[in-house]
Amino acid sequence: EVQLVESGGGLVQPGGSLRLSCAASGFTFSSYEMNWVRQAPGKGLEWVSYISSSGSSIYYADSVKGRFTISRDNAKNSLYLQMNSLRAEDTAVYYCARDGDRGLFDHWGQGTLVTVSS
Amino acid sequence: QSVLTQPPSASGTPGQRVTISCSGSSSNIGGNYVYWYQQLPGTAPKLLIYRNNQRPSGVPDRFSGSKSGTSASLAISGLRSEDEADYYCAAWDDSLSGVVFGGGTKLTVL
Repeated sequence: EVQLVESGGGLVQPGGSLRLSCAASGFTFSSYEMNWVRQAPGKGLEWVSYISSSGSSIYYADSVKGRFTISRDNAKNSLYLQMNSLRAEDTAVYYCARDGDRGLFDHWGQGTLVTVSS
Repeated sequence: QSVLTQPPSASGTPGQRVTISCSGSSSNIGGNYVYWYQQLPGTAPKLLIYRNNQRPSGVPDRFSGSKSGTSASLAISGLRSEDEADYYCAAWDDSLSGVVFGGGTKLTVL
């Protein structure tokens, strides 16, 4: 069974940093592209970042470019999102999602809540 | 404002057929596959339709997708109370080099 489990969320002050993790199991992690998608409270879904299976190709939404860094460790079956210079508008539930084909998110984690507030 | 445009709400009575539209442009829907996601209250999104009109295993055939030009639609027939959820369309955008979502449509079963 495919499982994605996010962790690392919490309360952080504006300008602070946080690192999210996503532990994958039940599939060959190194063969799949992965993404982070977020959802602000009461709002819709927003794609954040994509990473190819090898990590050689990476994309970011304009809203996080230059502040967030996606990475992966295929030996540890883990996906990461380093978030720096956090803003109030980054407050959201962050989901990791397995990618079958540039937007085909066939499995999602349960999400981890990030709250940016003083 | 979302890159893909969906109506904020839709409704129907049990047994009815409802459709949800999703409008985009040549850089997203017009040149790439459309995906639909269902998000039940308090849960993570779930893939409902992929590659315009394909259903993952386990998704009832009451759900169907279509695409024409720069627009797409999700149809739900034989509406049931458990279909009450938020529905999102998505597509890759060649200009943005990323995935774009619609703003979501809240479906109410009256």
